[in-house]
Amino acid sequence: GAGVSQTPSNKVTEKGKYVELRCDPISGHTALYWYRQSLGQGPEFLIYFQGTGAADDSGLPNDRFFAVRPEGSVSTLKIQRTERGDSAVYLCASSPWGVSTIYGYTFGSGTRLTVV
Amino acid sequence: EDKVVQSPLSLVVHEGDTVTLNCSYEVTNFRSLLWYKQEKKAPTFLFMLTSSGIEKKSGRLSSILDKKELFSILNITATQTGDSAVYLCAVINAGGTSYGKLTFGQGTILTVHP
Repeated sequence: GAGVSQTPSNKVTEKGKYVELRCDPISGHTALYWYRQSLGQGPEFLIYFQGTGAADDSGLPNDRFFAVRPEGSVSTLKIQRTERGDSAVYLCASSPWGVSTIYGYTFGSGTRLTVV
Repeated sequence: EDKVVQSPLSLVVHEGDTVTLNCSYEVTNFRSLLWYKQEKKAPTFLFMLTSSGIEKKSGRLSSILDKKELFSILNITATQTGDSAVYLCAVINAGGTSYGKLTFGQGTILTVHP
């Protein structure tokens, strides 16, 4: 696609429910990153995929968070037993491999998750 | 642990003013520093800086990196209301499995009044 697409753009869920957030990267981009941005803060790293494998998942806050990228393209971030503290904007970024010196990473528009 | 600190946290100016945004960092295996502009949700790329002392320019925006003192500045001249946004600084870690990971600062909120 022309850009990084994230769906849904907004998600409101009840505490304790399960949610899935989807990221569709730019076609051909092998590197994919998930970040989480709380209000008034900069984005925080969650997980990095190179192809199908998670090369670095050190940013996932706990075992309620999991992400997959089974075919090396679309990625899904899954959050179990959601808590109010999970409310944030979840951003996805992709790049051809590593970092482009021309445009860095391309970010999607994010999913705003609100847990009530 | 990698760390990025931006200052000021917020800034209010009038159209036509010049502003300087600061970013200092501590990072193992430094590769590059990036500046992003965030108006709604998606950060949009402004600059990537890898070498010290080489200024990058795009219109009214310019940026420079000092790898000895571990900081970067972003300058915006002749500010316009459309420059109102959050400006994010991030560094890239080039080491091992963390390759390519961005560590962001908390951002500077710039408000430009007519």
